[in-house]
Amino acid sequence: GQQLNQSPQSMFIQEGEDVSMNCTSSSIFNTWLWYKQEPGEGPVLLIALYKAGELTSNGRLTAQFGITRKDSFLNISASIPSDVGIYFCAGQIPLVDMRFGAGTRLTVKP
Amino acid sequence: ETGVTQSPTHLIKTRGQQVTLRCSSQSGHNTVSWYQQALGQGPQFIFQYYREEENGRGNFPPRFSGLQFPNYSSELNVNALELDDSALYLCAIALAGGNEQFFGPGTRLTVL
Repeated sequence: GQQLNQSPQSMFIQEGEDVSMNCTSSSIFNTWLWYKQEPGEGPVLLIALYKAGELTSNGRLTAQFGITRKDSFLNISASIPSDVGIYFCAGQIPLVDMRFGAGTRLTVKP
Repeated sequence: ETGVTQSPTHLIKTRGQQVTLRCSSQSGHNTVSWYQQALGQGPQFIFQYYREEENGRGNFPPRFSGLQFPNYSSELNVNALELDDSALYLCAIALAGGNEQFFGPGTRLTVL
């Protein structure tokens, strides 16, 4: 089945630094999504991408849908302590399930 | 505000028992999907319901079953529990006309 490879597995950064994480797949997806999950909660949708090449921002977050439709990246600029959490990429084919990456655990040191 | 809620928050069962997990939404939704999230991993798709019928299924055995009700609530039933069923179970809804899925807080199931 479709497998998503998400990297890095974890990141330890200083407050104010920029962060970049990415997701690749051997399969094509029609939609890429990025979620953030904090302890004891379900994933919260950050950004959804629908077109190959699309670049979308949500505040300090920017994500892109790769041209090949097999990859996506998420950037966080000027990180702050509340950015701490696990970030998941997800690829979706319409009307079917979403496939998730294994997550990137982000730690921000004040 | 989708207001997706799940109950119970957590529970403990023993091998061989059966469990029913519940999900509800404040707003009308198109589909409801259930996911299993093992510790340290991303959510894995179990199945999706649309108009009260199963609309797609992941790689899970038949002892995982579900229901969707007209009042925007849903159930996940797991029979003959195994130790490996211990996980966080998440439901997610997609609003009518949208593809994006919104998750509930999950139910943490521990099987002893």
